[in-house]
Amino acid sequence: EDQVTQSPEALRLQEGESSSLNCSYTVSGLRGLFWYRQDPGKGPEFLFTLYSAGEEKEKERLKATLTKKESFLHITAPKPEDSATYLCAAPSARQLTFGSGTQLTVLP
Amino acid sequence: NAGVTQTPKFQVLKTGQSMTLQCAQDMNHEYMSWYRQDPGMGLRLIHYSVGAGITDQGEVPNGYNVSRSTTEDFPLRLLSAAPSQTSVYFCASSYSIGTGGEGEQYFGPGTRLTVT
Repeated sequence: EDQVTQSPEALRLQEGESSSLNCSYTVSGLRGLFWYRQDPGKGPEFLFTLYSAGEEKEKERLKATLTKKESFLHITAPKPEDSATYLCAAPSARQLTFGSGTQLTVLP
Repeated sequence: NAGVTQTPKFQVLKTGQSMTLQCAQDMNHEYMSWYRQDPGMGLRLIHYSVGAGITDQGEVPNGYNVSRSTTEDFPLRLLSAAPSQTSVYFCASSYSIGTGGEGEQYFGPGTRLTVT
């Protein structure tokens, strides 16, 4: 069964304190790994697609990386506006399997 | 470009009532899907469609029906609402299918449904 697991469930950081979120997956024939950001009361917003091990993508203070078994979302010197829930997802058989997310809070 | 729109934003139903959640997109996307989001369980796929006239079941289809008569619209019908269907419902669309492109989905703002 395809599974996507995210850790930690919640993370509180001080502004400027860098950290990483983890997404591990067991999806056969992986055809990409996706990261989304979700703000309270809103739908998820697409951030990155990673297709192969070793690939990296960056956007502002976020950098996503991919290995054969997991992906990391690194947050460098975060700001309060980076507070959100971050979701990862993997596609299989025309469906997306989502992890349950990491709720990130960045304190000023 | 409105993107993906959903109506209503909030809804309260009594057990046994039926209703339709509306979803529309103006991006000419072939792939559309419905998810429900519950605390601690992430997004779970209810139904999806790969084009007009073609629908299929996702992970949690029981109690829900869908149809896709046009590229733009993908309504979700609750046949007989139950308290277990209390959730936030998201509709999403994407431009490609079958090559991993369905991962880059555009989500609507959601419908918050409470069944009493």
